[in-house]
Amino acid sequence: QVQLVESGGGVVQPGRSLRLSCAASGFTFSNYAMDWVRQAPGKGLEWVAVISYDGRSKYYADSVKGRFTISRDNSKNTLYLQLNGLRAEDTAVYYCARDVVRGHGDAVDYWGQGTLVTVSS
Amino acid sequence: DIQMTQSPSSLSASVGDRVTITCQASHDISNNLNWYQQKPGKAPKLLMYDASNLETGVPSRFSGSGSGTDFTFTIGSLQPEDIATYYCQHYDNLLFTFGPGTKVVI
Repeated sequence: QVQLVESGGGVVQPGRSLRLSCAASGFTFSNYAMDWVRQAPGKGLEWVAVISYDGRSKYYADSVKGRFTISRDNSKNTLYLQLNGLRAEDTAVYYCARDVVRGHGDAVDYWGQGTLVTVSS
Repeated sequence: DIQMTQSPSSLSASVGDRVTITCQASHDISNNLNWYQQKPGKAPKLLMYDASNLETGVPSRFSGSGSGTDFTFTIGSLQPEDIATYYCQHYDNLLFTFGPGTKVVI
Protein backbone atom coordinates (compact mmCIF):
# COMPACT_ATOMS: atom_id res chain seq x y z
CA GLN A 1 0.00 0.00 0.00
CA VAL A 2 1.09 3.55 -0.66
CA GLN A 3 2.78 5.18 2.29
CA LEU A 4 4.23 8.65 2.67
CA VAL A 5 5.99 9.36 5.94
CA GLU A 6 7.24 12.86 6.68
CA SER A 7 9.92 13.73 9.19
CA GLY A 8 12.11 16.65 10.15
CA GLY A 9 9.58 19.04 11.64
CA GLY A 10 10.12 20.83 14.91
CA VAL A 11 10.49 24.19 16.60
CA VAL A 12 12.90 26.60 14.96
CA GLN A 13 13.75 30.25 15.45
CA PRO A 14 12.89 32.86 12.82
CA GLY A 15 15.53 33.10 10.13
CA ARG A 16 16.83 29.59 10.70
CA SER A 17 16.61 26.57 8.41
CA LEU A 18 15.04 23.12 8.47
CA ARG A 19 14.93 20.19 6.10
CA LEU A 20 11.87 18.02 5.80
CA SER A 21 11.96 14.51 4.39
CA CYS A 22 9.24 12.26 3.05
CA ALA A 23 9.91 8.55 2.72
CA ALA A 24 7.74 6.94 0.07
CA SER A 25 6.87 3.27 -0.27
CA GLY A 26 4.32 0.99 -1.90
CA PHE A 27 4.62 2.51 -5.38
CA THR A 28 7.22 3.34 -8.01
CA PHE A 29 8.33 6.69 -6.62
CA SER A 30 10.30 7.70 -9.71
CA ASN A 31 7.12 7.61 -11.84
CA TYR A 32 5.29 10.37 -9.96
CA ALA A 33 5.50 14.10 -9.48
CA MET A 34 5.39 15.00 -5.81
CA ASP A 35 4.11 18.00 -3.88
CA TRP A 36 4.43 19.70 -0.54
CA VAL A 37 1.24 21.23 0.82
CA ARG A 38 1.02 23.03 4.15
CA GLN A 39 -1.72 23.94 6.58
CA ALA A 40 -1.30 26.59 9.25
CA PRO A 41 -3.05 25.83 12.55
CA GLY A 42 -6.79 26.21 12.10
CA LYS A 43 -6.36 27.43 8.52
CA GLY A 44 -6.84 26.09 5.01
CA LEU A 45 -4.58 24.20 2.66
CA GLU A 46 -1.77 26.01 0.87
CA TRP A 47 0.16 24.40 -1.96
CA VAL A 48 3.89 24.98 -1.45
CA ALA A 49 5.89 23.28 -4.19
CA VAL A 50 5.95 20.51 -6.78
CA ILE A 51 8.74 18.52 -8.40
CA SER A 52 8.43 16.47 -11.55
CA TYR A 53 8.99 12.72 -11.54
CA ASP A 54 12.60 13.12 -12.71
CA GLY A 55 13.42 16.19 -10.63
CA ARG A 56 14.00 18.40 -13.65
CA SER A 57 11.02 20.69 -13.15
CA LYS A 58 10.26 22.48 -9.90
CA TYR A 59 7.63 25.08 -9.14
CA TYR A 60 6.92 27.09 -6.00
CA ALA A 61 4.21 29.18 -4.44
CA ASP A 62 5.08 32.88 -4.45
CA SER A 63 5.04 32.87 -0.64
CA VAL A 64 8.06 30.54 -0.47
CA LYS A 65 9.89 31.23 -3.72
CA GLY A 66 13.57 31.94 -3.09
CA ARG A 67 13.45 30.53 0.45
CA PHE A 68 12.31 26.91 0.03
CA THR A 69 13.81 24.25 -2.22
CA ILE A 70 12.13 21.01 -3.21
CA SER A 71 14.25 18.05 -4.26
CA ARG A 72 14.08 14.30 -4.53
CA ASP A 73 16.32 11.25 -4.51
CA ASN A 74 14.69 8.55 -6.60
CA SER A 75 17.32 6.02 -5.55
CA LYS A 76 16.18 6.48 -1.95
CA ASN A 77 12.46 6.98 -2.66
CA THR A 78 12.63 10.20 -0.71
CA LEU A 79 11.27 13.70 -1.21
CA TYR A 80 12.78 16.72 0.51
CA LEU A 81 11.90 20.29 1.31
CA GLN A 82 14.65 22.64 2.43
CA LEU A 83 13.20 25.55 4.36
CA ASN A 84 15.47 28.59 4.69
CA GLY A 85 14.83 32.02 6.13
CA LEU A 86 11.88 30.74 8.13
CA ARG A 87 9.22 33.17 9.26
CA ALA A 88 6.44 32.94 11.82
CA GLU A 89 3.93 32.65 8.98
CA ASP A 90 5.63 29.44 7.83
CA THR A 91 4.32 27.70 10.95
CA ALA A 92 2.18 24.85 9.65
CA VAL A 93 1.75 21.15 9.21
CA TYR A 94 3.63 20.20 6.06
CA TYR A 95 2.17 17.37 4.01
CA CYS A 96 3.99 15.32 1.43
CA ALA A 97 1.61 14.40 -1.38
CA ARG A 98 1.64 12.22 -4.47
CA ASP A 99 0.63 13.93 -7.68
CA VAL A 100 -1.41 11.81 -10.07
CA VAL A 101 -2.99 12.32 -13.47
CA ARG A 102 -6.75 12.48 -13.30
CA GLY A 103 -8.73 13.26 -16.42
CA HIS A 104 -6.85 15.95 -18.30
CA GLY A 105 -5.07 17.34 -15.27
CA ASP A 106 -3.43 16.60 -11.95
CA ALA A 107 -4.64 15.88 -8.44
CA VAL A 108 -3.29 14.53 -5.18
CA ASP A 109 -4.36 10.99 -4.43
CA TYR A 110 -2.18 10.16 -1.42
CA TRP A 111 -1.02 12.31 1.46
CA GLY A 112 1.35 11.76 4.33
CA GLN A 113 0.33 12.28 7.94
CA GLY A 114 2.12 15.62 8.03
CA THR A 115 4.97 17.06 10.06
CA LEU A 116 4.58 20.21 12.17
CA VAL A 117 6.96 23.10 11.72
CA THR A 118 6.75 25.81 14.36
CA VAL A 119 8.69 29.01 13.83
CA SER A 120 9.05 30.86 17.09
CA SER A 121 11.66 32.65 19.12
CA ASP B 1 -2.35 34.47 -10.71
CA ILE B 2 -5.63 32.66 -10.37
CA GLN B 3 -7.49 33.31 -7.12
CA MET B 4 -10.07 30.86 -5.82
CA THR B 5 -12.96 31.78 -3.55
CA GLN B 6 -15.55 29.57 -1.89
CA SER B 7 -18.91 30.23 -0.34
CA PRO B 8 -20.15 29.86 2.21
CA SER B 9 -17.14 29.64 4.51
CA SER B 10 -19.20 27.42 6.78
CA LEU B 11 -22.67 25.95 6.84
CA SER B 12 -24.89 23.99 9.19
CA ALA B 13 -27.25 21.37 7.83
CA SER B 14 -29.23 18.36 8.97
CA VAL B 15 -28.76 14.71 8.08
CA GLY B 16 -30.51 14.09 4.78
CA ASP B 17 -30.24 17.70 3.60
CA ARG B 18 -28.96 18.65 0.18
CA VAL B 19 -25.80 20.73 0.63
CA THR B 20 -24.32 22.98 -2.04
CA ILE B 21 -20.94 24.71 -2.01
CA THR B 22 -19.76 27.12 -4.66
CA CYS B 23 -16.25 27.83 -5.85
CA GLN B 24 -15.31 30.77 -8.04
CA ALA B 25 -12.13 31.38 -10.00
CA SER B 26 -10.82 34.85 -10.76
CA HIS B 27 -10.28 33.88 -14.40
CA ASP B 28 -11.57 31.21 -16.75
CA ILE B 29 -10.05 27.89 -15.72
CA SER B 30 -12.13 25.67 -18.01
CA ASN B 31 -12.91 22.61 -15.86
CA ASN B 32 -9.45 22.37 -14.28
CA LEU B 33 -10.87 21.91 -10.81
CA ASN B 34 -10.72 19.24 -8.12
CA TRP B 35 -12.61 18.88 -4.85
CA TYR B 36 -11.20 17.50 -1.59
CA GLN B 37 -12.68 16.55 1.74
CA GLN B 38 -10.70 17.01 4.94
CA LYS B 39 -11.97 15.58 8.20
CA PRO B 40 -10.63 16.97 11.49
CA GLY B 41 -7.11 15.82 12.22
CA LYS B 42 -6.83 13.95 8.92
CA ALA B 43 -5.17 14.51 5.58
CA PRO B 44 -7.42 15.60 2.70
CA LYS B 45 -9.10 13.11 0.39
CA LEU B 46 -9.72 13.58 -3.32
CA LEU B 47 -13.44 13.44 -4.12
CA MET B 48 -13.82 14.86 -7.62
CA TYR B 49 -11.62 15.80 -10.54
CA ASP B 50 -12.17 17.80 -13.71
CA ALA B 51 -15.03 19.53 -11.87
CA SER B 52 -17.58 16.76 -12.32
CA ASN B 53 -15.87 13.37 -12.27
CA LEU B 54 -16.19 11.22 -9.17
CA GLU B 55 -12.99 9.66 -7.85
CA THR B 56 -13.14 5.89 -7.65
CA GLY B 57 -14.73 4.69 -4.42
CA VAL B 58 -16.39 7.99 -3.56
CA PRO B 59 -20.12 7.72 -2.81
CA SER B 60 -22.49 8.88 -5.55
CA ARG B 61 -24.20 11.37 -3.24
CA PHE B 62 -21.27 13.65 -4.04
CA SER B 63 -21.41 15.53 -7.33
CA GLY B 64 -19.87 18.52 -9.02
CA SER B 65 -20.54 20.80 -11.94
CA GLY B 66 -19.37 23.95 -13.59
CA SER B 67 -16.88 25.32 -16.04
CA GLY B 68 -15.11 28.59 -16.63
CA THR B 69 -15.23 30.59 -13.42
CA ASP B 70 -18.17 29.15 -11.49
CA PHE B 71 -18.34 25.70 -9.94
CA THR B 72 -20.71 23.85 -7.65
CA PHE B 73 -20.15 20.91 -5.32
CA THR B 74 -23.19 19.10 -3.97
CA ILE B 75 -23.82 16.50 -1.31
CA GLY B 76 -27.14 15.01 -2.35
CA SER B 77 -28.13 13.73 1.09
CA LEU B 78 -25.87 14.76 3.96
CA GLN B 79 -24.61 11.92 6.14
CA PRO B 80 -23.00 12.20 9.59
CA GLU B 81 -19.66 11.05 8.16
CA ASP B 82 -19.67 13.99 5.74
CA ILE B 83 -18.79 16.43 8.50
CA ALA B 84 -15.62 17.95 7.16
CA THR B 85 -14.09 20.92 5.41
CA TYR B 86 -14.32 20.88 1.62
CA TYR B 87 -11.75 22.53 -0.63
CA CYS B 88 -11.81 23.28 -4.30
CA GLN B 89 -8.45 23.23 -6.04
CA HIS B 90 -7.42 24.61 -9.41
CA TYR B 91 -4.63 22.86 -11.32
CA ASP B 92 -2.49 24.28 -14.11
CA ASN B 93 0.56 22.39 -15.35
CA LEU B 94 1.50 20.94 -11.96
CA LEU B 95 0.70 24.18 -10.12
CA PHE B 96 -2.12 24.03 -7.60
CA THR B 97 -4.26 26.72 -6.01
CA PHE B 98 -6.63 25.81 -3.21
CA GLY B 99 -9.80 27.61 -2.28
CA PRO B 100 -10.18 28.74 1.34
CA GLY B 101 -12.48 25.88 2.27
CA THR B 102 -16.07 25.38 3.41
CA LYS B 103 -16.71 23.81 6.78
CA VAL B 104 -19.81 21.63 6.94
CA VAL B 105 -21.33 20.91 10.34
CA ILE B 106 -24.52 19.22 11.49
